[in-house]
Amino acid sequence: GAVVSQHPSWVICKSGTSVKIECRSLDFQATTMFWYRQFPKQSLMLMATSNEGSKATYEQGVEKDKFLINHASLTLSTLTVTSAHPEDSSFYICSVSEGTGVNNEQFFGPGTRLTVL
Amino acid sequence: GQNIDQPTEMTATEGAIVQINCTYQTSGFNGLFWYQQHAGEAPTFLSYNVLDGLEEKGRFSSFLSRSKGYSYLLLKELQMKDSASYLCAVKDSGAGSYQLTFGKGTKLSVIP
Repeated sequence: GAVVSQHPSWVICKSGTSVKIECRSLDFQATTMFWYRQFPKQSLMLMATSNEGSKATYEQGVEKDKFLINHASLTLSTLTVTSAHPEDSSFYICSVSEGTGVNNEQFFGPGTRLTVL
Repeated sequence: GQNIDQPTEMTATEGAIVQINCTYQTSGFNGLFWYQQHAGEAPTFLSYNVLDGLEEKGRFSSFLSRSKGYSYLLLKELQMKDSASYLCAVKDSGAGSYQLTFGKGTKLSVIP
């Protein structure tokens, strides 16, 4: 399966600052990547679908101006949390799918834990 | 839309068998996945079902009944390392058919 990395693995920032999280597909060219958020003891919630070379598709309730997604190449997608606040503290996970076939599972990155003070 | 239900927590004894249930209500269905997630880590793939029946993979098996909107994950010969959250996820058959909707997860504690 695909190998996915994320950087940084954890970050602490002050309220009001912006944080960029990188997601890389190391051995697979991904036209589509997914960004999830997971609060403690909650499930993964899909935030947006990142499409290479085009705008991301955001889920209902996710502010596109606050969570900026850039999918500049087939191996890299970035999520920037702008003007972060304590309520944005969460575990952010990206994933890639090896295709759109019905049996293609998603492979997840190791996640980035964001703490906003 | 999707509605996925699974128990919040379960406890089982090392060496025993445990079954984790998942029920779903979806507007479309294109397969069901089970993932394992240890605390603070990303989910890892366990199994995939798209047709009715049982899929066996070592100590783990997964069952699907599409007519009942029901699946279960069966873990045999439990080991302490199996203590984790188990996530049921459904793939939609609508637009963006590769998207997954996750249940809230079942936290399994394996005790000696």
